[in-house]
Amino acid sequence: GAVVSQHPSWVICKSGTSVKIECRSLDFQATTMFWYRQFPKQSLMLMATSNEGSKATYEQGVEKDKFLINHASLTLSTLTVTSAHPEDSSFYICSASPVTGKGPGELFFGEGSRLTVL
Amino acid sequence: DAKTTQPPSMDCAEGRAANLPCNHSTISGNEYVYWYRQIHSQGPQYIIHGLKNNETNEMASLIITEDRKSSTLILPHATLRDTAVYYCIVRVTGGYQKVTFGIGTKLQVIP
Repeated sequence: GAVVSQHPSWVICKSGTSVKIECRSLDFQATTMFWYRQFPKQSLMLMATSNEGSKATYEQGVEKDKFLINHASLTLSTLTVTSAHPEDSSFYICSASPVTGKGPGELFFGEGSRLTVL
Repeated sequence: DAKTTQPPSMDCAEGRAANLPCNHSTISGNEYVYWYRQIHSQGPQYIIHGLKNNETNEMASLIITEDRKSSTLILPHATLRDTAVYYCIVRVTGGYQKVTFGIGTKLQVIP
C-alpha cells in the first residue's frame, strides 16, 4: 500500500518551546492531508484538514494559532505545536489520500508522532 | 460525530474467526464502509473497504447487509497479532473528505 511517513516518531521538549512534526506521502501526491490527536485509551480526534496551497481548516475547539499547519507541497504537510505545554503531550497522527494512481480514494495513515512536553 | 457505532470490546480465541460488527444506519448512497485497525502506539492500518458487495482480501472479509445499514468484518483465523482496536468508518472515496473516528472495538485475541 501507499506510504505516509511522519517525523519525528517521538519527541520530548521543554514547556514553552515549539515542536514541528512533518508528514510526507512518499509515493503519491495528496492535495489534502489530515491531522489527528490521540490521548491514551481514546480514539483519534480530528484536529484539522491541511490543504495544499491554502489555509488549513480547523475543527471546533482547536486553536489555530497554537497548532500551525503548513501544506507546502503535494507531498508534505507540517504541524507545529507552538509554546507547548504538558497538556499538549499526545500522539499526533497524519493521514492522506492519493489523488490519482496508487489506491485513489483510500486513506493512509502515518506511524504517528508521540510528543511529550516536560 | 462518528457515523458508526461499534461494541467497545470483544474477545476471540486464537485460531477462531473474529466477527466484528458495525452499525452505520445513516450511511449515504455514495459512502463506502472502511475498516482500519490500530495496534498500540502505531498509526491506523487499512484493512478493507466496500460499497455494497461483500469483499475479501488477504487480511479479512467484509460483509455488508443488503440495506447497507450494518456490516461485519471477519478475520477468519485470528492470531495474537490481531489484538488491536478496530475502527469502522464511512466515507466517500474522495481525498478531501475528512474522517471522524468512533471509539472502535478493542479486540483481544486469547491464546
